[in-house]
Amino acid sequence: SQTIHQWPATLVQPVGSPLSLECTVEGTSNPNLYWYRQAAGRGLQLLFYSVGIGQISSEVPQNLSASRPQDRQFILSSKKLLLSDSGFYLCAWSRGQGATDTQYFGPGTRLTVL
Amino acid sequence: KNQVEQSPQSLIILEGKNCTLQCNYTVSPFSNLRWYKQDTGRGPVSLTIMTFSENTKSNGRYTATLDADTKQSSLHITASQLSDSASYICVVSPGNYGGSQGNLIFGKGTKLSVKP
Repeated sequence: SQTIHQWPATLVQPVGSPLSLECTVEGTSNPNLYWYRQAAGRGLQLLFYSVGIGQISSEVPQNLSASRPQDRQFILSSKKLLLSDSGFYLCAWSRGQGATDTQYFGPGTRLTVL
Repeated sequence: KNQVEQSPQSLIILEGKNCTLQCNYTVSPFSNLRWYKQDTGRGPVSLTIMTFSENTKSNGRYTATLDADTKQSSLHITASQLSDSASYICVVSPGNYGGSQGNLIFGKGTKLSVKP
């Protein structure tokens, strides 16, 4: 069976500090991978998605970046965090088999920027 | 503009009662609509998915309906349990799939609280 991991689960960082969130998927190969942010009282906002190693599509211009160094690893980074970066970050994967694909979400990372 | 609107924003019901959550969308062209359940502090979990030709889909005590003509969907929960307390998110996929799902339209969700 497939599993998706995210870490850390919780993170408190000062403004201006760097960020690295990691997501890994097990039990499948060549998945589509996604990073979302969920701010309080708001819907999920797609940040990045990837259909293959080294292929990253950005949805929202911001101070975040994403990388996919391995097939089942997706990393979300920032060089300098802003207060507005606080939120719940979710990684998801799908099989990339069409529009009726289901996205499977990870447990999320709660980021607080102070 | 492609949008998904959910109502109510929040709902409180007593254990054992039924409830219905609403989702209206303006997404066009339309491919499919999903309902996700998100427990507090957790990632969303898929409940149902319906394509254009499907009117209803059940998953245990959860029944989703879709009217593609009026662009409305509902999620009916029967005999609610305390574990149903969660946010329920309506997600619409446009009909221009381009190899990924980087264009899903998410609603803001309905927060359901089931009280004993």
